Amino acid sequence: SQKIEQNSEALNIQEGKTATLTCNYTNYSPAYLQWYRQDPGRGPVFLLLIRENEKEKRKERLKVTFDTTLKQSLFHITASQPADSATYLCALSPLSGGYNKLIFGAGTRLAVHP
Amino acid sequence: DVKVTQSSRYLVKRTGEKVFLECVQDMDHENMFWYRQDPGLGLRLIYFSYDVKMKEKGDIPEGYSVSREKKERFSLILESASTNQTSMYLCASMPQTGVYNEQFFGPGTRLTVL
Repeated sequence: SQKIEQNSEALNIQEGKTATLTCNYTNYSPAYLQWYRQDPGRGPVFLLLIRENEKEKRKERLKVTFDTTLKQSLFHITASQPADSATYLCALSPLSGGYNKLIFGAGTRLAVHP
Repeated sequence: DVKVTQSSRYLVKRTGEKVFLECVQDMDHENMFWYRQDPGLGLRLIYFSYDVKMKEKGDIPEGYSVSREKKERFSLILESASTNQTSMYLCASMPQTGVYNEQFFGPGTRLTVL
């Protein structure tokens, strides 16, 4: 069956450390993958997009990697801050979806402690 | 600043009632989506629309219908609300330009069906 999985347990890290979140998928051929941030009681906000032929993408303190052999994306936040505390969602666009459809993971909650 | 608005942040309805959730976007986007979000399940696509009067079923359309009479407005209708439709409902829009596009989300409507 098709699955997109993120670690359901919260990730707790110390301020200043690098947070690494994992997104694994099964039985999809993604055209691209996106990461979103969601704060409690709010809608997700887009952070980064990485295409299936890209290995790595960076934006300020954020870095995303995409390994289509391992069927995995890693999302890194360097020099993390308490303000980075939120739930992070990965979403992939399957090649069969016409590039409009996104399949979302359940998200991983990140808590950055001072 | 781009915006997706939803008619209500919180809604309480009784079983059997007809419920309308409204979504408006001001970005002239062709694509609009309705998701529901439940703990541990992530965002699940109910319906989406790629043009006025056009709609396609998502992964969980049962018990729902939609209407898109104008480009900026996408309505989700629960014909006869049931308790298992208690959830957070999120609307999103996405442009049709290019291939790789992000989705812009509204703040969500938390619906409780008693």
